[in-house]
Amino acid sequence: GAGVSQSPRYKVAKRGQDVALRCDPISGHVSLFWYQQALGQGPEFLTYFQNEAQLDKSGLPSDRFFAERPEGSVSTLKIQRTQQEDSAVYLCASSDYGTTLNYGYTFGSGTRLTVV
Amino acid sequence: DQQVKQNSPSLSVQEGRISILNCDYTNSMFDYFLWYKKYPAEGPTFLISISSIKDKNEDGRFTVFLNKSAKHLSLHIVPSQPGDSAVYFCAASGSNAGNMLTFGGGTRLMVKP
Repeated sequence: GAGVSQSPRYKVAKRGQDVALRCDPISGHVSLFWYQQALGQGPEFLTYFQNEAQLDKSGLPSDRFFAERPEGSVSTLKIQRTQQEDSAVYLCASSDYGTTLNYGYTFGSGTRLTVV
Repeated sequence: DQQVKQNSPSLSVQEGRISILNCDYTNSMFDYFLWYKKYPAEGPTFLISISSIKDKNEDGRFTVFLNKSAKHLSLHIVPSQPGDSAVYFCAASGSNAGNMLTFGGGTRLMVKP
């Protein structure tokens, strides 16, 4: 597709429920990032993939958070036993390796997760 | 500990005037800086970047200035237009950080017609 596509756009989960958020990066983009943006704050790094390899997961806030990109394209961010503090917009971004810092990377519109 | 800070949560300017958005950072290992613009219900959109080997980069109405000794950068928009009204995020990266970006908290710019 022309841009980074994320689904669903909105998700309401009951506390304790598991959720899965999907990201379709721009075709051919090697790098894929997940960020979490709480209300009124800037995005915070969660994890980074280069192709199917998860090279950095230092930003994942707990072991309830898990991300995968098994074929080096679509990625899924899974949150188990959701808590209210997980409520945020989850942003996915992708880039051609090597052009990231010159031209930034392309973000999707995000998934707004609300845990009730 | 916030490594990238945008101390002004909001800024209001008149159409046609200059908008100046500021950003401070603490990590001396940062060597690349970017500005993103975000409209409601959309993801951030890349605007302009600057490498630490430069002190200025210009792209049309947008200019970014970097003062490494002060660990400060700013984005100038001249002339400001109502369509520039959005939240602006400053972001920084270190060359050994795997292209991970550290973002500031954002500044909401309102350009009044």
